Amino acid sequence: GQSLEQPSEVTAVEGAIVQINCTYQTSGFYGLSWYQQHDGGAPTFLSYNALDGLEETGRFSSFLSRSDSYGYLLLQELQMKDSASYFCAVRDPYNQGGKLIFGQGTELSVKP
Amino acid sequence: EAGVTQFPSHSVIEKGQTVTLRCDPISGHDNLYWYRRVMGKEIKFLLHFVKESKQDESGMPNNRFLAERTGGTYSTLKVQPAELEDSGVYFCASSSQGTQSGNTIYFGEGSWLTVV
Repeated sequence: GQSLEQPSEVTAVEGAIVQINCTYQTSGFYGLSWYQQHDGGAPTFLSYNALDGLEETGRFSSFLSRSDSYGYLLLQELQMKDSASYFCAVRDPYNQGGKLIFGQGTELSVKP
Repeated sequence: EAGVTQFPSHSVIEKGQTVTLRCDPISGHDNLYWYRRVMGKEIKFLLHFVKESKQDESGMPNNRFLAERTGGTYSTLKVQPAELEDSGVYFCASSSQGTQSGNTIYFGEGSWLTVV
């Protein structure tokens, strides 16, 4: 089966940099995705890594190391609006439709 | 283009009652998923439709849950009879057919269900 581990909560201050780690166990691997959820609303796609290395999208970057079954989401120049839940997710290799398996989510609190 | 829409946004029902949640996926998306998030826990997969067919219903908790997608368009998720542990946020999501590893799955705002 598939499982993902990520910290339950992280606190940081405005302007800082924060890293949210994710380790996974999966019988087949098709990349690691990150989703953001504000106030329990619709989870929205942030980034995806299929290969090792860093993917950068503005203030957000995501990293993957397949040999370590590990990835992280890096948020720079934190803003108050970044306070949200962040989920890492992997695709179920046995589901052709791209079904995602999610971690428990990391609650990020950004303080002034 | 409209996103994934869900109805109702909030529902409070008594234990033993029935609730039906509806999801309208993004037009043209063959894949439709139902997920549930209980407070503080992971977003847990319930089931997956490809058009009108159930591709995977391995996450459905028990036979009190019934999902349908007649005609391959909108979907309903019925809980009958509802129990206290069914409380949570039910998310619907959709994606286009042929979704590969990194393609985005689009989520609705969720239907918040409280069973009292």
